[in-house]
Amino acid sequence: AQKVTQAQTEISVVEKEDVTLDCVYETRDTTYYLFWYKQPPSGELVFLIRRNSFDEQNEISGRYSWNFQKSTSSFNFTITASQVVDSAVYFCALSGRRVKLTFGTGTRLTIIP
Amino acid sequence: DAGITQSPRYKITETGRQVTLMCHQTWSHSYMFWYRQDLGHGLRLIYYSAAADITDKGEVSDGYVVSRSKTENFPLTLESATRSQTSVYFCASSDRWLAGVQGHQETQYFGPGTRLLVL
Repeated sequence: AQKVTQAQTEISVVEKEDVTLDCVYETRDTTYYLFWYKQPPSGELVFLIRRNSFDEQNEISGRYSWNFQKSTSSFNFTITASQVVDSAVYFCALSGRRVKLTFGTGTRLTIIP
Repeated sequence: DAGITQSPRYKITETGRQVTLMCHQTWSHSYMFWYRQDLGHGLRLIYYSAAADITDKGEVSDGYVVSRSKTENFPLTLESATRSQTSVYFCASSDRWLAGVQGHQETQYFGPGTRLLVL
């Protein structure tokens, strides 16, 4: 069975601070994919990133960066110099041999101006 | 560029009534999915479809029915709505998932959601 754990239910930081959202996963599949989605207050789900299990290189996209570590089964997401527009619920998700996505319960991030 | 749309966006119904939520995608994606989002549970898969006329259950399929006669449409029907089905429903689609030694998972893209309230 697959499982995704986002232990941080809610996080609040002051604008311009850096913040890291944690994601720990469990899977027996040797090939798997990890995803992050953003759900802003408007409610839609916005795709942010996809990583496969063969590629442990960290990725940076503007103020966003992702740290994938197979040794600790983690796929953490860092926002640098946070902005109010980053306020949202962030979901980590996992898919393995089968096409279905398993989601974590989400982390609600609030950026305080 | 419509992408993936859902209708209605909001729906109020009564216990016992049949409700159909619509999902339409313009990308010709093979796979389509229905999820429900509830506090404390994240998103949970209800049903998915690999192609027209091919559907399969997810983890919370009881009380729901789907069909897929056309690639672009994937309606979800609550045959007899219950209060526990009050939720936000998301439809998603992705391109073909290729099986193989390594496999290949395409990204799922989500519709805007339908808020359903069952009284």
